[in-house]
Amino acid sequence: GQNIDQPTEMTATEGAIVQINCTYQTSGFNGLFWYQQHAGEAPTFLSYNVLDGLEEKGRFSSFLSRSKGYSYLLLKELQMKDSASYLCAVKKVRQSNYQLIWGAGTKLIIKP
Amino acid sequence: DTEVTQTPKHLVMGMTNKKSLKCEQHMGHRAMYWYKQKAKKPPELMFVYSYEKLSINESVPSRFSPECPNSSLLNLHLHALQPEDSALYLCASSQDAGRRERGTDTQYFGPGTRLTVL
Repeated sequence: GQNIDQPTEMTATEGAIVQINCTYQTSGFNGLFWYQQHAGEAPTFLSYNVLDGLEEKGRFSSFLSRSKGYSYLLLKELQMKDSASYLCAVKKVRQSNYQLIWGAGTKLIIKP
Repeated sequence: DTEVTQTPKHLVMGMTNKKSLKCEQHMGHRAMYWYKQKAKKPPELMFVYSYEKLSINESVPSRFSPECPNSSLLNLHLHALQPEDSALYLCASSQDAGRRERGTDTQYFGPGTRLTVL
């Protein structure tokens, strides 16, 4: 089967750092995406990891360990606008296409 | 430019109505997707078009009918919907649909159509 787990909700303080974890169990793994989604809006692409290690992009970094089935998204210097849901999604090859298997999302609440 | 546009933004329809959702991208992407998203849930894949051909249908009821008139456009025709079909309908596109496994093939989402079925 396939399973993706993320915490349901996290709270952090403006200016601080927060790490959102994602664990997965799936066959046919071909990469992992992180998306940000503000309430009522579409998901916005944040990062993609296919090899083990850390990818840094400004205030956001994403890490992947394929052997552990584990990824995290690290957000630094938190701003109020970072309050959103963060979804991890595993890319899985299917037939001659691919699909995304989505986690349920982590709602991040930033407090002043 | 990573823009995917969707119209309309909001749609209210009765159970006997026929309506269509439209999606457009001009990034030269050859894969397009329809998702349905309920509140506080992740997107749920409905259909995948690859090179203008339907490649994945996630056992979606026939009251939803997708159409891909050309590589830039994707429609979703709605007929005889149920109130439980009320949701945010998201369109996405990616450069390819998995033929190049090493590529990121990032899916870029449109703003969505908020559908309410009365």
